[in-house]
Amino acid sequence: EVQLLESGGGLVQPGGSLRLSCAASGFTFSSYAMSWVRQAPGKGLEWVSVISGSGGSTYYADSVKGRITISRDSSKNTLFLQMNSLRADDTAVYFCAKGRSQLLFLDAFDIWGQGTMVTVSS
Amino acid sequence: DIQMTQSPSTLSASVGDRVTITCRASQSISSWLAWYQQKPGRAPKLLIYKASSLESGVPLRFSGSGSGTEFTLTISSLQPDDFATYYCQQYNSYSGYTFGQGTKLEIK
Repeated sequence: EVQLLESGGGLVQPGGSLRLSCAASGFTFSSYAMSWVRQAPGKGLEWVSVISGSGGSTYYADSVKGRITISRDSSKNTLFLQMNSLRADDTAVYFCAKGRSQLLFLDAFDIWGQGTMVTVSS
Repeated sequence: DIQMTQSPSTLSASVGDRVTITCRASQSISSWLAWYQQKPGRAPKLLIYKASSLESGVPLRFSGSGSGTEFTLTISSLQPDDFATYYCQQYNSYSGYTFGQGTKLEIK
């Protein structure tokens, strides 16, 4: 079964750091681009970052550029999101998501994790 | 950056109704558009990709159309399980993805 399982969320003070993980199973992890998407409480979906299957290409939303780094470890089938200089408006559920096709860097997301909550508050 | 605008923001309908949700892009995105359904407390679910291709396992009552800047998601006959929030998403831009603000489909 294709599955994504996020972890690492929690409560962090403004200015702090957090590292999210997304464990993948059931597919050839290194063949697919992966993304992080977040959703603030009661709000819509916001794309955060994408990384290619090889890890060689990354894009970031303007709202997180310079503060967040996406990476992946294909030996462990795991996607990461390192978040620094966190602000209150980073408070959200963070989902990892798998690109649908091996052929496209940017593609629809066919598999999503259940999400992990990040709360930035003093 | 490409902006995506969905309408309406809220839609009230009854079981059996045919409903249409519209998504407009601020510039042409060819057919690089997806539609998702999200229920409270759950992850989004892919319904449509490349504007009109139905994802495997999605009921045939869902359909998508459009290209360029204007797109629609149609549910031909609403079922109780379809009351949820729907998002469009563009994936044409080399700067990344953009979601629409969402359309909440409510029971009338």
